[in-house]
Amino acid sequence: GENVEQHPSTLSVQEGDSAVIKCTYSDSASNYFPWYKQELGKRPQLIIDIRSNVGEKKDQRIAVTLNKTAKHFSLHITETQPEDSAVYFCAAMGFSGGYNKLIFGAGTRLAVHP
Amino acid sequence: DTGVSQNPRHKITKRGQNVTFRCDPISEHNRLYWYRQTLGQGPEFLTYFQNEAQLEKSRLLSDRFSAERPKGSFSTLEIQRTEQGDSAMYLCASSLGRATTEAFFGQGTRLTVV
Repeated sequence: GENVEQHPSTLSVQEGDSAVIKCTYSDSASNYFPWYKQELGKRPQLIIDIRSNVGEKKDQRIAVTLNKTAKHFSLHITETQPEDSAVYFCAAMGFSGGYNKLIFGAGTRLAVHP
Repeated sequence: DTGVSQNPRHKITKRGQNVTFRCDPISEHNRLYWYRQTLGQGPEFLTYFQNEAQLEKSRLLSDRFSAERPKGSFSTLEIQRTEQGDSAMYLCASSLGRATTEAFFGQGTRLTVV
């Protein structure tokens, strides 16, 4: 089945710096890759997603890139702010067993220091 | 609140007892997922439904776990003979029928088995 690995597990940056989180997936049939942000004690919320027919997508300070050949995708946050501090999860829509389901990475705890 | 609703928010139970959680998805969503999240980890897939049909159940899930979605609307997750290792946050998510659409999460039910 689909397996998603996420790195790094923790990331500490200074306010204004960029942050990059990387994920790899195993199922070459996966075609949907969302990123979720989870603040302490809250539910995961979608911040950006990308489909397999696109190589890059940007929304203000966040962007996601997808390399289907290498089976990896990355989240880029520019001009980080303290409110970006949270746990970020990548996910891939895998197709193992004939059905598609979202499989998540283990998460990256991002800390943005003023 | 028209989002995904989960009840109860917190549940403390003694080892060996049965517990049942409820998830009410967004009304027009026909996909419903159950995930388990432990501290420092990403959401772990448990099972999912397309309308009332349970399409897949994780092989990691023991026979003590069962889920239903009898009318294709709300869903219940039951854990029989709870064990301390079942302590976790149980998250429900829903999405529209197409695979590559956003999954919206509920706030979760935190289970503590003592």
